[in-house]
Amino acid sequence: EADIYQTPRYLVIGTGKKITLECSQTMGHDKMYWYQQDPGMELHLIHYSYGVNSTEKGDLSSESTVSRIRTEHFPLTLESARPSHTSQYLCASSGGMTGELFFGEGSRLTVL
Amino acid sequence: AQKITQTQPGMFVQEKEAVTLDCTYDTSDPSYGLFWYKQPSSGEMIFLIYQGSYDQQNATEGRYSLNFQKARKSANLVISASQLGDSAMYFCAMRTSGSRLTFGEGTQLTVNP
Repeated sequence: EADIYQTPRYLVIGTGKKITLECSQTMGHDKMYWYQQDPGMELHLIHYSYGVNSTEKGDLSSESTVSRIRTEHFPLTLESARPSHTSQYLCASSGGMTGELFFGEGSRLTVL
Repeated sequence: AQKITQTQPGMFVQEKEAVTLDCTYDTSDPSYGLFWYKQPSSGEMIFLIYQGSYDQQNATEGRYSLNFQKARKSANLVISASQLGDSAMYFCAMRTSGSRLTFGEGTQLTVNP
């Protein structure tokens, strides 16, 4: 069983609010990722990190930002949420030979 | 550029029968890995099976097997003896150099009683 946790699972907020989605893993993985997924659609990589103090933008442009100050923690922040940010955000980490991703349960964000 | 294609938006299968979910990929990298994930309606992503590009045999994990045809660049997932709990979205994914996974569009599988 993977040890990667996301909070909150569900969040409903108003436009203009600042939000932070938390992601923590206890597997000691160096590599962590954030994917964005609309309902029933494919996953799009928006941020990734290969280690502490290393962050990169993914394939899909996103107004969110991330930080990696500690190996186990990879939070995602939206400074001013908009309805277009409504989506599910999935955090993942990898550290094995195959590159398998271990996913958290996801954070479903609704911006009104 | 890496690309994963799943051409079946939806599939239906009777309980206890086998079903094949299609996946084709495109990459020029000689070393790559192929993955299948299951996503139930609750939203979490569950790893099912992995196939490396240099693996000689098709991967199997319980009721899941991967039909890997390298020359055709296909990596179809076969689920044997379908169960009602198999109803979910299934994603094929590929890893090439750099450890990042690229996902396909997904196939919604419905198992009928």
